[in-house]
Amino acid sequence: DAKTTQPPSMDCAEGRAANLPCNHSTISGNEYVYWYRQIHSQGPQYIIHGLKNNETNEMASLIITEDRKSSTLILPHATLRDTAVYYCIVRVTQGGSEKLVFGKGTKLTVNP
Amino acid sequence: ETGVTQSPTHLIKTRGQQVTLRCSSQSGHNTVSWYQQALGQGPQFIFQYYREEENGRGNFPPRFSGLQFPNYSSELNVNALELDDSALYLCASSSGLANYGYTFGSGTRLTVV
Repeated sequence: DAKTTQPPSMDCAEGRAANLPCNHSTISGNEYVYWYRQIHSQGPQYIIHGLKNNETNEMASLIITEDRKSSTLILPHATLRDTAVYYCIVRVTQGGSEKLVFGKGTKLTVNP
Repeated sequence: ETGVTQSPTHLIKTRGQQVTLRCSSQSGHNTVSWYQQALGQGPQFIFQYYREEENGRGNFPPRFSGLQFPNYSSELNVNALELDDSALYLCASSSGLANYGYTFGSGTRLTVV
């Protein structure tokens, strides 16, 4: 029941902005979009999440389209340590519980 | 503020055996979820625990079971291990509030031989 589609890989130059796209055309009105990243099979690290408004924190910005069918994660100044697999996720509510539905992720490589 | 702690970090079991994985949730978090991540794949939801009861389950057979304790820590039990159960098992805790994030542990790498 994957609800997100991402490019399998992307490259970015160190110091430049990395823009990672995600399609979630079947998202429901109350389902949040989350972004996590994972380095070398460690636990996923939280980046940012949002419902319909654009969000910004110290790590990244999240731009969600008005129809909520897609979003973009922006890392404003990528560093070598940002090399990781980035997951765009939809939080689905079922009954009294919620679950994160992961896609296959984008492998981002930041090059010097 | 402590994060999510999982133990053990690595484990090797034989097909047919049983295994118990443990998770200590982040301070202040009362909800725990477990995920299975096969090599090269995104994590897949196994189940969620809230107030010591399972309140959501993914597409996993009954031989995957769990517990949550009064201190919100949790266990994942897998019976009759199969080779395909080899994976990274991740625990995530959350506060259960409307607009919240999930904190993941570093996972337990289970290898079934």
